[in-house]
Amino acid sequence: AQSVTQLGSHVSVSEGALVLLRCNYSSSVPPYLFWYVQYPNQGLQLLLKYTSAATLVKGINGFEAEFKKSETSFHLTKPSAHMSDAAEYFCAVKSSGDKLTFGTGTRLAVRP
Amino acid sequence: GAGVSQSPSNKVTEKGKDVELRCDPISGHTALYWYRQSLGQGLEFLIYFQGNSAPDKSGLPSDRFSAERTGGSVSTLTIQRTQQEDSAVYLCASSLASSSGSTDTQYFGPGTRLTVL
Repeated sequence: AQSVTQLGSHVSVSEGALVLLRCNYSSSVPPYLFWYVQYPNQGLQLLLKYTSAATLVKGINGFEAEFKKSETSFHLTKPSAHMSDAAEYFCAVKSSGDKLTFGTGTRLAVRP
Repeated sequence: GAGVSQSPSNKVTEKGKDVELRCDPISGHTALYWYRQSLGQGLEFLIYFQGNSAPDKSGLPSDRFSAERTGGSVSTLTIQRTQQEDSAVYLCASSLASSSGSTDTQYFGPGTRLTVL
């Protein structure tokens, strides 16, 4: 069964600093991987997805992620954090039956 | 265009009562998913519809939970004899996916926050 692990339930960065949110996957088949963001009291919004095309995936709001098969990783990065990036971020893998299996989430805080 | 909508946005009920949660997917989306988000369990898959059929119900936690979809559009998630552990945010998502294995994006609604007293 496919699964994802997000390291760090809380990450805090200064405004303007690099954002790095970690996600490792476990899958017996080539995975389809996703990053979603959730702002307070809102649903999930897709940031980006990996579907076996380019390994470096660019998403919305300046985020990108790189699929590294050798490391079974799909970490999310952004060169310069904004206050508006404060939210909870979820990594997910598409499992059998088309459902998404989510990680436990990482709450990002951005310090002024 | 309109996104996925869910109603009610908040529902408070007493233990033992039945509740119905509604999801209106994006027009034209054939696939519809229900997930549950709770503090203890994170984000969990409940059920997946392709059209009006539910090929994957593996996430429904007990037989108190059921869902249906009519006309390939609106879906209703019903929880009978609610328990306090059912308190969570119930999220609905839809996608264009017309076949299994599609990579089409799942678009999420804002959720229904259910509180069971």
